[in-house]
Amino acid sequence: SQQGEEDPQALSIQEGENATMNCSYKTSINNLQWYRQNSGRGLVHLILIRSNEREKHSGRLRVTLDTSKKSSSLLITASRAADTASYFCATENTGNQFYFGTGTSLTVIP
Amino acid sequence: DAGITQSPRHKVTETGTPVTLRCHQTENHRYMYWYRQDPGHGLRLIHYSYGVKDTDKGEVSDGYSVSRSKTEDFLLTLESATSSQTSVYFCAISERLPYNSPLHFGNGTRLTVT
Repeated sequence: SQQGEEDPQALSIQEGENATMNCSYKTSINNLQWYRQNSGRGLVHLILIRSNEREKHSGRLRVTLDTSKKSSSLLITASRAADTASYFCATENTGNQFYFGTGTSLTVIP
Repeated sequence: DAGITQSPRHKVTETGTPVTLRCHQTENHRYMYWYRQDPGHGLRLIHYSYGVKDTDKGEVSDGYSVSRSKTEDFLLTLESATSSQTSVYFCAISERLPYNSPLHFGNGTRLTVT
């Protein structure tokens, strides 16, 4: 399988705290993307980081990428109850295919 | 939802019957994808299309076929449904040019094979 893996599988935090989730992958990539999925809905794109980038910010999101370790992390700062969702990393390989990790389920307690 | 409509949203069918799921986009994006989502497996790519009549297999393509006769429609067919194909199926589209474009997803089709 070319899928990646997220860690942890589940995360529960208090509102206002930071949430960090990690992603490991197996193959060479063009970019790595993070998506959010609310219950019963499709995935929504959050942020994309190219293979030649090391860090990227978007609002309360911070993504890092370490291609030597084939890993990425997503940090959500000052979490809100509305951030409760599942988060997936996805890698786009040189064959123009996207492969998803197994997801982290985040619960933010008000 | 980026102009992507999946139909039907829910379907229950019996083992051995053929099933066709439809994905319709209004974005004129070149690339279209079918994924299935199962607990513990995340999303797995079934088939994808890079243009009209141009398709290729993903990592879990056995038992599935696809067709794309128009830019806006991508059909996924289960030739003879099995219980292992009970899943939530997602269609996604991508502009692809410029490269490094994200995927946009439909809201999924929940398929139950009894």
